[in-house]
Amino acid sequence: KAGVTQTPRYLIKTRGQQVTLSCSPISGHRSVSWYQQTPGQGLQFLFEYFSETQRNKGNFPGRFSGRQFSNSRSEMNVSTLELGDSALYLCASSFHPGQGVTGELFFGEGSRLTVL
Amino acid sequence: DAKTTQPPSMDCAEGRAANLPCNHSTISGNEYVYWYRQIHSQGPQYIIHGLKNNETNEMASLIITEDRKSSTLILPHATLRDTAVYYCIVRVAGGLRTSYDKVIFGPGTSLSVIP
Repeated sequence: KAGVTQTPRYLIKTRGQQVTLSCSPISGHRSVSWYQQTPGQGLQFLFEYFSETQRNKGNFPGRFSGRQFSNSRSEMNVSTLELGDSALYLCASSFHPGQGVTGELFFGEGSRLTVL
Repeated sequence: DAKTTQPPSMDCAEGRAANLPCNHSTISGNEYVYWYRQIHSQGPQYIIHGLKNNETNEMASLIITEDRKSSTLILPHATLRDTAVYYCIVRVAGGLRTSYDKVIFGPGTSLSVIP
C-alpha cells in the first residue's frame, strides 16, 4: 500500500513569506504528527493531530500551525518565514493508539524548505 | 528533553553484528521502546519495538533489560546500507488513553559500517 506522501518535496521561499506543506497519511491511519529537522536541533516535535483535533504541541511559536481534514490528510503552515525556519519538515502517520495497536510511526520523505 | 540517551557515534565492520545501546532509566511501565533509523536525507524508518520481552524481526533484534532501564538494538550482519542515524525513543502505546504524548527524539547514534 502507498506510504506517507508529503508535498512539495522541495521549496524555496524568502523571509516574510508563508508556506503550506501537505501530508497524506497511509490509508486507514488516523493520527498525523509533524516534525522539524535541522542540523543543529535534530528532530523536533511540532504537533500531532487526530480526528481533526490538535492533541499535542511542541515548543514552537504561533507562526507554526496545522490542521487535519476529515480524510486524515494534514497541512502545516508557517507564516512570516525566518531564515531559521529552513529545515526538513517530516510528517508521520500512525493508527490511533486507542485501538490497541502499538503506535509505530511511518514517516514520509519530508519537505525541504529553504528560506532566503 | 529526550527520555533516552545514546552514544553519538559507533563503527562496525561489515558482516559483523552491530550492537547499539540505549539508556531509558526513567521509562514508565506503559511505555514501549521504539527504534528508528534515518538514512541521509530520507524520512526515519521504523525498525522494531518492544515492551519488556526481547523481540526479533527480519531487520533486527531488540534486547530489553529486566529492569527496562536500557536496551540494545542488534543488527546481526551489518551491511554498508545499514549506515545511518539510529534513534531510540520511548512512548506510550496501545490501549485507551486520554492524553497524547509528545514524541521526543534525541540526537541518536550515527552508525558507520566499515568495509
